[in-house]
Amino acid sequence: EAQVTQNPRYLITVTGKKLTVTCSQNMNHEYMSWYRQDPGLGLRQIYYSMNVEVTDKGDVPEGYKVSRKEKRNFPLILESPSPNQTSLYFCASRKDTQETQYFGPGTRLLVL
Amino acid sequence: DQQVKQNSPSLSVQEGRISILNCDYTNSMFDYFLWYKKYPAEGPTFLISISSIKDKNEDGRFTVFLNKSAKHLSLHIVPSQPGDSAVYFCAAGGYGGATNKLIFGTGTLLAVQP
Repeated sequence: EAQVTQNPRYLITVTGKKLTVTCSQNMNHEYMSWYRQDPGLGLRQIYYSMNVEVTDKGDVPEGYKVSRKEKRNFPLILESPSPNQTSLYFCASRKDTQETQYFGPGTRLLVL
Repeated sequence: DQQVKQNSPSLSVQEGRISILNCDYTNSMFDYFLWYKKYPAEGPTFLISISSIKDKNEDGRFTVFLNKSAKHLSLHIVPSQPGDSAVYFCAAGGYGGATNKLIFGTGTLLAVQP
């Protein structure tokens, strides 16, 4: 089944404790992206990647890192999480020749 | 500043009637628009899209209309069904090429009453 998977789905952590949210897609998509969803703000793009080893900032990249060492994986790294990073995070992917993005199920993060 | 706006946080419609969801944008450089549907505890799923060279695109019960001069697009669902109850996001991108960056609206919660 073609899908985007994220792990973990739910995470509670404390301020300053490094964490990684994994994202993996099995559709051989070149493009991958991370979004966060907050009440009243919709979905905002954090980082995106056009292909392996090619990443760029979205609209809200502060406090986040990403890497794209393999085509199928695009982990989101919070080196020192803060409470304002409490949010619902979505990973997405698409073919580089298409516009339609396919989203993962989301990761709900609470930073205390 | 919100470049893509969905001014109605919620909409309630009777089953069988038409649902009209609206979206306004400010950047005239956008050349591709999409609608996504989101159920609770799931990721958004693609619904329908439209290029700026068109003013209408239809897919079954779903039609998207684009008015470039007014920088406005709308999604029509006819007839509405209870299973259509979800949050709908419009998104814009393109900048003349691939959609490297998608700008999403804040979403409209549609409730279709049986």
